[in-house]
Amino acid sequence: DGGITQSPKYLFRKEGQNVTLSCEQNLNHDAMYWYRQDPGQGLRLIYYSQIVNDFQKGDIAEGYSVSREKKESFPLTVTSAQKNPTAFYLCATPSGTTNTGELFFGEGSRLTVL
Amino acid sequence: QKEVEQDPGPLSVPEGAIVSLNCTYSNSAFQYFMWYRQYSRKGPELLMYTYSSGNKEDGRFTAQVDKSSKYISLFIRDSQPSDSATYLCAMTTTGRRALTFGSGTRLQVQP
Repeated sequence: DGGITQSPKYLFRKEGQNVTLSCEQNLNHDAMYWYRQDPGQGLRLIYYSQIVNDFQKGDIAEGYSVSREKKESFPLTVTSAQKNPTAFYLCATPSGTTNTGELFFGEGSRLTVL
Repeated sequence: QKEVEQDPGPLSVPEGAIVSLNCTYSNSAFQYFMWYRQYSRKGPELLMYTYSSGNKEDGRFTAQVDKSSKYISLFIRDSQPSDSATYLCAMTTTGRRALTFGSGTRLQVQP
C-alpha cells in the first residue's frame, strides 16, 4: 500500500544528544514536510522540501536539520541546539494531484527528552 | 495574534448530538480550507476539504466557509463515540508552501 512510514514511533533522548527521525514515502511525491505538534498549539512547520536536494526552513527551523538526497526519504535531525525538543513530530506529503494544500500524514514520532 | 484561532475544548456531547466546531482566521487571502481528524497518538487524517466560500456535505459531516466573516465550521450530525478525537482546521492560499493549522478542538462523544 502507498503511504508514509515514520520511525521510530517512540524515542527517548538524553539532553545534549542529537537524534534523527526517519520519514519514507512510496507515493512518488516530490514534496515532503515536517511538522511539530505540541499540546494545545496545533501543528507548526519545521522544514519542507519541494524536490530532491532542495529544502526550505519553515516557521520553527532553529535547532533542526534535514536532508533530501532521495525522493522517497526526508529525515529530520533534532540537534542539541533545540531548546525544547519533547514533542510529536509529523511527516507529510501532498495528498492530491492539484496544488491545493491537502496533506497526507504519517503516524508520527513521539520524542521525549529525559 | 495567531492567523488561525480555534477553541481547544474539550467539548463533551452525548451520543446522537449535533456538534459544531469552528475556526476564525485573519488572513483574507486564504482560499483552501480543510478539517482534519486526529485520534490520540496518531497522525491527522483529512476529513473535509472546501475551496472558497460555501458548504460541502459528506455523510454526517458538513463543512461551511464564510469568507466575509473569516469563519469556518464543521458540523457533525448524529455524533458517535467513534467521533471522539481532536479536530484541526487548516487553510492555505495559492503560492503558500504549507498549511496553517488551528490549535485543534478535542471532542468527546459520551455513549
